[in-house]
Amino acid sequence: EADIYQTPRYLVIGTGKKITLECSQTMGHDKMYWYQQDPGMELHLIHYSYGVNSTEKGDLSSESTVSRIRTEHFPLTLESARPSHTSQYLCASSAKGAGVNYGYTFGSGTRLTVV
Amino acid sequence: QKEVEQNSGPLSVPEGAIASLNCTYSDRVSQSFFWYRQYSGKSPELIMSIYSNGDKEDGRFTAQLNKASQYVSLLIRDSQPSDSATYLCAVYSNSGYALNFGKGTSLLVTP
Repeated sequence: EADIYQTPRYLVIGTGKKITLECSQTMGHDKMYWYQQDPGMELHLIHYSYGVNSTEKGDLSSESTVSRIRTEHFPLTLESARPSHTSQYLCASSAKGAGVNYGYTFGSGTRLTVV
Repeated sequence: QKEVEQNSGPLSVPEGAIASLNCTYSDRVSQSFFWYRQYSGKSPELIMSIYSNGDKEDGRFTAQLNKASQYVSLLIRDSQPSDSATYLCAVYSNSGYALNFGKGTSLLVTP
């Protein structure tokens, strides 16, 4: 079944640790995104990618990096976690159409707590 | 001015009533509009997309778009308690690189 997967679902980690949040999709979508969402707040774009070897920063500077070596895989890395990084991280993907922007399919999210 | 604005609510409607959710956007040349439903602690789920002025119906949901007024709405007919969630309005900007989301409207359907 075509889907988008995020691991881990929950992560508690100490300050200063390096972490990678995983995101994979089986829908063959070219476009992938990372958003950050605090409880009751709006989604903020962190990074996006239009295809392999294409990555761009979004509006929210979160001191993170991404890579897109394979179409299906879009991991997010925090080099040094801080308590301010505590949040929910949502990965999404969408198809690329000629002259049409499609909606996203979201993964289940990773809830990160930095202590 | 925020790019996508929604009344945060909560909007409370009785079971069986019509729920009306509204959204305004600032980018006059936006072309693609979406409604997502998000249950507490879950990720957003796409429920409607609309690209042209007018109404688009899908089951109990109707999306309405008025580009001249920069306004998009979602009607939920015969509201059910299971419709209780936060509804997010999302709009692609003219650059088209990603969706901008509103803060969401919390809907509560009371039995």
